[in-house]
Amino acid sequence: KQEVTQIPAALSVPEGENLVLNCSFTDSAIYNLQWFRQDPGKGLTSLLLIQSSQREQTSGRLNASLDKSSGRSTLYIAASQPGDSATYLCAVRRGNAGNMLTFGGGTRLMVKP
Amino acid sequence: DTAVSQTPKYLVTQMGNDKSIKCEQNLGHDTMYWYKQDSKKFLKIMFSYNNKELIINETVPNRFSPKSPDKAHLNLHINSLELGDSAVYFCASKKNQETQYFGPGTRLLVL
Repeated sequence: KQEVTQIPAALSVPEGENLVLNCSFTDSAIYNLQWFRQDPGKGLTSLLLIQSSQREQTSGRLNASLDKSSGRSTLYIAASQPGDSATYLCAVRRGNAGNMLTFGGGTRLMVKP
Repeated sequence: DTAVSQTPKYLVTQMGNDKSIKCEQNLGHDTMYWYKQDSKKFLKIMFSYNNKELIINETVPNRFSPKSPDKAHLNLHINSLELGDSAVYFCASKKNQETQYFGPGTRLLVL
């Protein structure tokens, strides 16, 4: 059974800092991994999708890496801004599980002005 | 131009009632999903559905049933609501190998 863990559960940083969010998964037989953002009281927004054959994906100030063999992914946020405050979720897709995603518990990020 | 929409946004109801949550996507996607997010913010898959197959998470009680009148809709019916059903329910859709798009969520409170 796939289990996804995110560390830390909560993070508070001053504006401008670079930060790293961690995600680990127990079953390395994944199809892809996604990072989502969830704002309070809102739905999920997909940030980055990394296929199992890829090592990283970049979008603006975000960079996500994937080390499938060790069961880890990191989301790097450069030059954090107050607007980055949200909960960040990682999710893995198992190739033979009906395209369903298994989510981590999320990291609640607060960026202070 | 909402991609994935859900109604209602909030649903407050008494224990024992039967209720439905509607989901519509205008993206032309083939597969739709329902997720439950509990009070601890954990997201868990409930159903995956396209016009060929329905995949049910084995932990979902049979009081929950998805109904798809057409490719753009996947509604969630819940019978005999229980207190533990209180959560936020998210609908999502996906086309082929692309990313999933999520709806805004429906906040269900069972009294």
